[in-house]
Amino acid sequence: QSVVTQPPSASDTPGQTVTISCSGSSSNIGINYVYWFQQFPGTAPKLLIYRNNQRPSGVPARLTGSKSGTSASLAISGLRSEDEADYYCAAWDDSLSGWVFGGGTKVTVL
Amino acid sequence: EVQLVESGGGLGQPGRSLRLSCAVSGITFGSYDISWFRQAPGKGLEWVGFIRSRPYGGAAQYAASVKDRFSISRDDSKSIAYLQMNSLKTEDTAVYYCARGGSYCRGGACYPDYWGQGTLVTVSS
Repeated sequence: QSVVTQPPSASDTPGQTVTISCSGSSSNIGINYVYWFQQFPGTAPKLLIYRNNQRPSGVPARLTGSKSGTSASLAISGLRSEDEADYYCAAWDDSLSGWVFGGGTKVTVL
Repeated sequence: EVQLVESGGGLGQPGRSLRLSCAVSGITFGSYDISWFRQAPGKGLEWVGFIRSRPYGGAAQYAASVKDRFSISRDDSKSIAYLQMNSLKTEDTAVYYCARGGSYCRGGACYPDYWGQGTLVTVSS
């Protein structure tokens, strides 16, 4: 099982807001930045959120990241069919001296 | 445009070796750390290791699952990073991705931003 925990799935109808949680510990999320990646089947992960809540150029503002204590979340508002993908959170873990990822959350647009 | 292209994947036998390459363009390769990640079929992402840029020492660091079996090197003159995989195990079967950045920084501030498309390694007898 992953050091960082995400729900395996999340879903809602178009236009609604989906929020994905990411739970870690004091050695990773609690003290380091959180990152979010989007991955479509058969393709490479794409960076969506860096340093907890920053969006790279080209990532729409309806995607927002937040962090509190040892948990983080990614909210996707105005849900669209093209948002159907797997989403992973990640953070550096000081105890393991490496990157740790959540198990991924599959988002379905109903 | 930043591009990373992995190659060298394929079928490897348990106990044997494979070497993956990561060809990078669109950046001053020598100025950047390079990381490797992998994703087993139907599974999540796993960090493999990174190599720092030479201005920052050029050292590599590895995940416990591959330490002592895998090694990362770089040829700045060719803008290529390598992942040497020795003593392969069936559990090494995965798509391997290289990415720009992702070495250790205080606060985890150095993150992998651009990723290659991946190369599939299958370890089987």
